[in-house]
Amino acid sequence: DGGITQSPKYLFRKEGQNVTLSCEQNLNHDAMYWYRQDPGQGLRLIYYSQIVNDFQKGDIAEGYSVSREKKESFPLTVTSAQKNPTAFYLCASSTGGNQPQHFGDGTRLSIL
Amino acid sequence: SQKIEQNSEALNIQEGKTATLTCNYTNYSPAYLQWYRQDPGRGPVFLLLIRENEKEKRKERLKVTFDTTLKQSLFHITASQPADSATYLCALDSSASKIIFGSGTRLSIRP
Repeated sequence: DGGITQSPKYLFRKEGQNVTLSCEQNLNHDAMYWYRQDPGQGLRLIYYSQIVNDFQKGDIAEGYSVSREKKESFPLTVTSAQKNPTAFYLCASSTGGNQPQHFGDGTRLSIL
Repeated sequence: SQKIEQNSEALNIQEGKTATLTCNYTNYSPAYLQWYRQDPGRGPVFLLLIRENEKEKRKERLKVTFDTTLKQSLFHITASQPADSATYLCALDSSASKIIFGSGTRLSIRP
């Protein structure tokens, strides 16, 4: 079955540590996205990529970094510069533009 | 700035009734509007897309309307069931390459 896979489901980070969240899709989608969701809030766009080797900052990119070296993969690194990293992180993909997005089941990041 | 408003209060209705959720937007003229369902601890799932030149779209028990004059979309679930309980998000295209999401409305269907 085609889909989008995020791992791990739960992740714990120590203060001052960088962590990388994995996102893989086998839908052959060109576009991929990373969102952050906090309780009671909508999804906020961190970074997005419309094509391999290219990506753009979203609304809350500070403290995060991404790469898009392969079409199927779009990992997100939460750096120590992100002051409030505890959140639910969602990865999505689409055929591009503003077409419907397919989401993974998220990674919940917590600070120890 | 662009703003999407969904009722932040949970909507509780009796099984079998029609649930109606509202999505309002300001400072904005979207070409598309989308609705998603999100269950606790899961990613959103796409339900329906409606274009600005479409007044209404249906899919099984779901119906979406799009009023560009009122800047509003209504999402209806007819013959609601407890399994329809979830958070429903509306989303609008904010540019040619991305969409923005509302904060969602939690729907609870009681037996």
